[in-house]
Amino acid sequence: DAGVIQSPRHEVTEMGQEVTLRCKPISGHDYLFWYRQTMMRGLELLIYFNNNVPIDDSGMPEDRFSAKMPNASFSTLKIQPSEPRDSAVYFCASSLRGQGFNEQFFGPGTRLTVL
Amino acid sequence: GENVEQHPSTLSVQEGDSAVIKCTYSDSASNYFPWYKQELGKRPQLIIDIRSNVGEKKDQRIAVTLNKTAKHFSLHITETQPEDSAVYFCAAPNYGGSQGNLIFGKGTKLSVKP
Repeated sequence: DAGVIQSPRHEVTEMGQEVTLRCKPISGHDYLFWYRQTMMRGLELLIYFNNNVPIDDSGMPEDRFSAKMPNASFSTLKIQPSEPRDSAVYFCASSLRGQGFNEQFFGPGTRLTVL
Repeated sequence: GENVEQHPSTLSVQEGDSAVIKCTYSDSASNYFPWYKQELGKRPQLIIDIRSNVGEKKDQRIAVTLNKTAKHFSLHITETQPEDSAVYFCAAPNYGGSQGNLIFGKGTKLSVKP
């Protein structure tokens, strides 16, 4: 398995532009998580899905952020409009929960820079 | 919901010494405690985890201990090597949502000096 795949790996955009981050989870995994990592705030959970259904989006900072999972093999995180404070590394992770918590496999991350 | 606190935030040791990182959690219902290692510019990766039915788990030079009464768990790295230099994160389940997610500590930056 190729692991969790994210694209793009790097994104540089200007304030006000729309940004779309993409994630392909590991095949067969039933949970998908979107995280944001910054030096100041550490690793923050933004939203997670179970079987393509959003379960908890309380970590989404504001209405400018939205996430979708149209099928089991694809998810997007969209920021519109983007702001400089959105600059961070965004990780997608997936896991197979089964009877309890199990390992979350992280993708390589997308480094977003908003100028 | 769950609150996870991790100490220290930075740790510097000489090669060959041991390193210990400690985390505390608040929810007595928590039953799964993973540790992730993140090398510079890389993704977090699981290095060891423990479930609440055991008190200790070892994997070569790393071990995790769990004290459910005191609600803390620790990562122990023995005979440290330069390649152990990284940021280490602990985590614990948060049952505040309908199905739960992991809450991560703020991380410990470990530096192993040759």
